[in-house]
Amino acid sequence: SQTIHQWPATLVQPVGSPLSLECTVEGTSNPNLYWYRQAAGRGLQLLFYSVGIGQISSEVPQNLSASRPQDWQFILSSKKLLLSDSGFYLCAWSFRDEQYFGPGTRLTVT
Amino acid sequence: QKEVEQDPGPLSVPEGAIVSLNCTYSNSAFQYFMWYRQYSRKGPELLMYTYSSGNKEDGRFTAQVDKSSKYISLFIRDSQPSDSATYLCAMSAGNYGQNFVFGPGTRLSVLP
Repeated sequence: SQTIHQWPATLVQPVGSPLSLECTVEGTSNPNLYWYRQAAGRGLQLLFYSVGIGQISSEVPQNLSASRPQDWQFILSSKKLLLSDSGFYLCAWSFRDEQYFGPGTRLTVT
Repeated sequence: QKEVEQDPGPLSVPEGAIVSLNCTYSNSAFQYFMWYRQYSRKGPELLMYTYSSGNKEDGRFTAQVDKSSKYISLFIRDSQPSDSATYLCAMSAGNYGQNFVFGPGTRLSVLP
């Protein structure tokens, strides 16, 4: 069966600090991978998606970037965090047209 | 007009009630429809997945799709306090789901 992991589960970072969130998927090959952000009381905002190693599409211009160094690994990064980057970050993978989410990382930028 | 609209809630019902959660959409290209349940501080969990118009039943849950009206619903029978969560509708036009569109979610509380 397929499993998706995210870490860390929670993170508190000061403004201007770097960020690295990691997502890994087990039990499937060549999945489509996604990063979403969910702000408090708001819907899911698609940030990036990837259809393969090194192939990243950005949906929203911002100070975040994503990389996919391995088929099963998706990384969300920032060089300098902003207060507005606070939120709940979700990684997801899709099989055909079904999408499955990880447990999420709650990021608070102070 | 937003691409997907969802009853905003919050919705409070007594235990045992039938719950109806609804979404409307504007893009007739959507072919795949999903409902997710999200507990507080957790990732969304895929609850129901449907492709065609009509009903799909899974235990106490029924997903209904009306493509002609661009309207989807999720019915929960005999609601339980454990059903208290935010419910998100989602849809995709296909092409292996490179673009999923989500509703903002409806927060449901089932009171014992």
